[in-house]
Formats: sequence, C-alpha cells, structure tokens
Amino acid sequence: QKEVEQDPGPLSVPEGAIVSLNCTYSNSAFQYFMWYRQYSRKGPELLMYTYSSGNKEDGRFTAQVDKSSKYISLFIRDSQPSDSATYLCAMSEGSNFGNEKLTFGTGTRLTIIP
Amino acid sequence: EADIYQTPRYLVIGTGKKITLECSQTMGHDKMYWYQQDPGMELHLIHYSYGVNSTEKGDLSSESTVSRIRTEHFPLTLESARPSHTSQYLCASSRKGGVSGTRVAKNIQYFGAGTRLSVL
Repeated sequence: QKEVEQDPGPLSVPEGAIVSLNCTYSNSAFQYFMWYRQYSRKGPELLMYTYSSGNKEDGRFTAQVDKSSKYISLFIRDSQPSDSATYLCAMSEGSNFGNEKLTFGTGTRLTIIP
Repeated sequence: EADIYQTPRYLVIGTGKKITLECSQTMGHDKMYWYQQDPGMELHLIHYSYGVNSTEKGDLSSESTVSRIRTEHFPLTLESARPSHTSQYLCASSRKGGVSGTRVAKNIQYFGAGTRLSVL
C-alpha cells in the first residue's frame, strides 16, 4: 500500500466551479503538507503549504489538513481555465537534522472547461 | 518562479551512450534532489545531497550517479543509457533552514522544468 493515495482523475469541471482535490496518507509522522501544481512539460511549482492540522487560505486556494483522519484537501474557488494542470500533494515528516524527504501522491489531472 | 535550471530540456539518445543531465540553482540552497517522474506515477527520489561533497541514494534504485562539487551544481550521469531509463528527470532544491520561523521553509522544495529523456 502506498503511503500517500491520490485519485489520478482526470477531473473536468466547468469554469467558475469549486474544485476539491484530496489525498489520504498512512504515515502518522507526516507533519508538513504541500500542494504543487504542474503544468504540462513543466516542473512542479509550490502552491500551498501547511504545518500540522488546520486550514490555510491564499486567494482562491484553501488547503485543509485533518491529521486525525490522515486526509488533506485543496479547494479552488471560482476555477479558471488557467487552473488546468496536474495537482500533486506532498508531505514529509520533517526534522531539524536535514532529512525532509517528500512523499508525493500520483497527482490529479484537472481540466477547467471554459 | 524558482531559480533552478535544467539542461537539456529534451534528449533523445541511443542505447549505450553516456549522458549527463545538468542542474543548477542560484538560490544558495544547500540541499538538492533528483526525482524520476513517469506518467501517472508519483515522483520517486533517486538521489539527494545535503551540501558540497554529500550525495545519498534515494528511495528508488537507480543506475545513475551524481556529484556535488559546488553548492549550485548537481549533475546526474548515466554511464550507459538503456531504454528503461526513458523518463522525466526533475531536479529540486531546498534551503537548510533553521530554528522557528524557517521550520516550514526548509521543507519546501523548488523544482526545475525537468529533462525528458528518451533512450532508443
């Protein structure tokens, strides 16, 4: 079983819709949670990051972490065609000694239909 | 946009050739990483480095090697390319971080655009 599970999609929604992307994980030691966005033929770019449980909002994007359920979400409000990309969740245990390896989900391919 | 650069962006090469994929960053980051990404699959860490003269193997076994002679440079070499090496290779870097205030920042990895390698 993978440490991080993410529905690969593809997911297609009309422009303006609210998008919900999710990941579940099994390692209770994960403390740092990130969402990366990857456009076709590009490298992943960091979109959101959170530490431990809670919500974080940045413009149209909201990241939620529920450590008790081992479940993280990314919400996109008022979705735009420019949001069409693959979204990767990533997480790490983190430490003060340098070992902050990230474990990634497989990514969800999202298409926003104009 | 992150200041991390990978060359070449695309490479098509014959079996048995030696290749080096270049990665450079201008952010002064201590840590650098190489990932392999195949369609529909998660990123797999193949090598990482904590700093100059430090190299470690990642979670995914790889026939490639890396070196870290300068902070900003982390090349990956395949001595004899095979069709099974066909993949996208992504380089990333992160800062060393420190005590509170940068605890989250040191876990953030910044990625290059990738090198798409095809071995015929």
